[in-house]
Amino acid sequence: AQRVTQPEKLLSVFKGAPVELKCNYSYSGSPELFWYVQYSRQRLQLLLRHISRESIKGFTADLNKGETSFHLKKPFAQEEDSAMYYCALSGDSGAGSYQLTFGKGTKLSVIP
Amino acid sequence: NAGVTQTPKFRILKIGQSMTLQCAQDMNHNYMYWYRQDPGMGLKLIYYSVGAGITDKGEVPNGYNVSRSTTEDFPLRLELAAPSQTSVYFCASSPGHGGGTGELFFGEGSRLTVL
Repeated sequence: AQRVTQPEKLLSVFKGAPVELKCNYSYSGSPELFWYVQYSRQRLQLLLRHISRESIKGFTADLNKGETSFHLKKPFAQEEDSAMYYCALSGDSGAGSYQLTFGKGTKLSVIP
Repeated sequence: NAGVTQTPKFRILKIGQSMTLQCAQDMNHNYMYWYRQDPGMGLKLIYYSVGAGITDKGEVPNGYNVSRSTTEDFPLRLELAAPSQTSVYFCASSPGHGGGTGELFFGEGSRLTVL
């Protein structure tokens, strides 16, 4: 079974401070990991995916297979980063249907 | 281009009533999904479909039914509503295997309360 754990329900940081949202996963095969974000009154949307190794809105995330982690980081938090963040995992579904398993989410609050 | 559209946004049901949550997408995506999100919990997959005429169960299918007669529409049917089905329901779509990037496109959600 695949599982995603986000240990923090709420994370509060000051504007300009570094941010790290933790995500750990459990999966026996080769996972694909994603971070989704939901801003206030907006739809859940993809923020970034590990296979792209990209930086979006200043956020990066590195897949650490040894520690089974996919933490989301940003060096300097901005007020507009305040949102709910969900880590998600796609295992080998066979049909390539990208069935995602989501963590419970972390609410990031950036204090001005 | 509306993306994924869900109706209704809010609904209150009495125990034992039935209803259908509608979901439509205009992106010609093959794959569609229904998730539910209980308070303080992550999204859990109810049903999914990899194309018209094909549906399959997800993690929590009991008490629900789906159909996929067209590429665009993927309605979720609740039969004999129970308080345990009080939740926020999200419909999503993706291009799928070969054309997909793992990105799901979500609707705005439908908040259902069963009393």
